[in-house]
Amino acid sequence: SAVISQKPSRDICQRGTSLTIQCQVDSQVTMMFWYRQQPGQSLTLIATANQGSEATYESGFVIDKFPISRPNLTFSTLTVSNMSPEDSSIYLCSVELGADTQYFGPGTRLTVL
Amino acid sequence: GNSVTQMEGPVTLSEEAFLTINCTYTATGYPSLFWYVQYPGEGLQLLLKATKADDKGSNKGFEATYRKETTSFHLEKGSVQVSDSAVYFCALRGPGAQKLVFGQGTRLTINP
Repeated sequence: SAVISQKPSRDICQRGTSLTIQCQVDSQVTMMFWYRQQPGQSLTLIATANQGSEATYESGFVIDKFPISRPNLTFSTLTVSNMSPEDSSIYLCSVELGADTQYFGPGTRLTVL
Repeated sequence: GNSVTQMEGPVTLSEEAFLTINCTYTATGYPSLFWYVQYPGEGLQLLLKATKADDKGSNKGFEATYRKETTSFHLEKGSVQVSDSAVYFCALRGPGAQKLVFGQGTRLTINP
């Protein structure tokens, strides 16, 4: 497995502002993923971030709203832009480590007022 | 497309009871199947997995068997504890695919 950390762990933000979430892994990984878990809901993949290439977004998610950076093999950021209360969710990053298994970070709990 | 359906919760049991959480899936080919657990206030943890038909994944007393004929991956535990209270997610990854597809989650509460 891997040790995955996220910052911040939680935040309360005003609508119209942006928040950047960081994900750090203790080993080099090729594939990193960003998921959203809306209150009481399951997880939905936002995008896949591979180092050295543009992130690939799932249907319903766009780069202008959720820009992603992947500067190296241990780090990624997800920005939630121009936030509205509907963006209140838990945002989780995950990494793939051998044998097609994904491991998740602790999540960032975002509340937008 | 690929999808996962879990039994609806919440599920409430007494300590030492037998647990079954049903999970069925729809997928082309032979997906890999997973159970993840989310304890209160925490992120997801991989509980167990199975990558081919008839494989049995097990961990912490939990078991699940990959049943191709019934497209199921039911989670079982013979004697649950209060510390098992959490939300359990069944998930699949299609062959050649990168992303995980999750079920809706089942909230489990164990009373002493």
